[in-house]
Amino acid sequence: GAGVSQSPRYKVAKRGQDVALRCDPISGHVSLFWYQQALGQGPEFLTYFQNEAQLDKSGLPSDRFFAERPEGSVSTLKIQRTQQEDSAVYLCASRKSGHGPYEQYFGPGTRLTVT
Amino acid sequence: DAKTTQPNSMESNEEEPVHLPCNHSTISGTDYIHWYRQLPSQGPEYVIHGLTSNVNNRMASLAIAEDRKSSTLILHRATLRDAAVYYCILRANNNAGNMLTFGGGTRLMVKP
Repeated sequence: GAGVSQSPRYKVAKRGQDVALRCDPISGHVSLFWYQQALGQGPEFLTYFQNEAQLDKSGLPSDRFFAERPEGSVSTLKIQRTQQEDSAVYLCASRKSGHGPYEQYFGPGTRLTVT
Repeated sequence: DAKTTQPNSMESNEEEPVHLPCNHSTISGTDYIHWYRQLPSQGPEYVIHGLTSNVNNRMASLAIAEDRKSSTLILHRATLRDAAVYYCILRANNNAGNMLTFGGGTRLMVKP
């Protein structure tokens, strides 16, 4: 079946530009997560949605980062006024349920390079 | 979240078993032990998880110490496609335990 998809796969932005990264989770999955992965590091949590509700945004590094999931399916991560330190792979994951030890299914990521 | 400790890297020969260790001495009673792996240029992929008993699935086995302070991921016959970074993660089974907290993981290299 279809997995988690993300677009674009690669994005180059000039410093100061705004970017929008899209995540299409597995159909019917309640939970959606965004992670940021710097080169050579493990992924770091950014934010979590249960359906359309953003229940945790404690990992967002600054108020330039904004995420939404208005209809409880597709999600968009927006970064305003990009900086060089925003260069990373942005990973989206979905999970079937809101609770329990269920696995997360990850997309391939969007590699953002800020020049 | 309780912390895990893994070796930075390990090497294995193709078609031999691989034992990837993880220490989690501060694990709490409700923490599940999850393993994910990340192949080059891909997102992480779920491998296996367990609570107290050893677990087997088509990808791997998970051996959990009796005191739960350590665990071992076992790949029974390593293939070149198993070369990846393997992450051992503790996840609380409560409302606060929704995200995964990744450490540095173990980079597994498989030699032909």
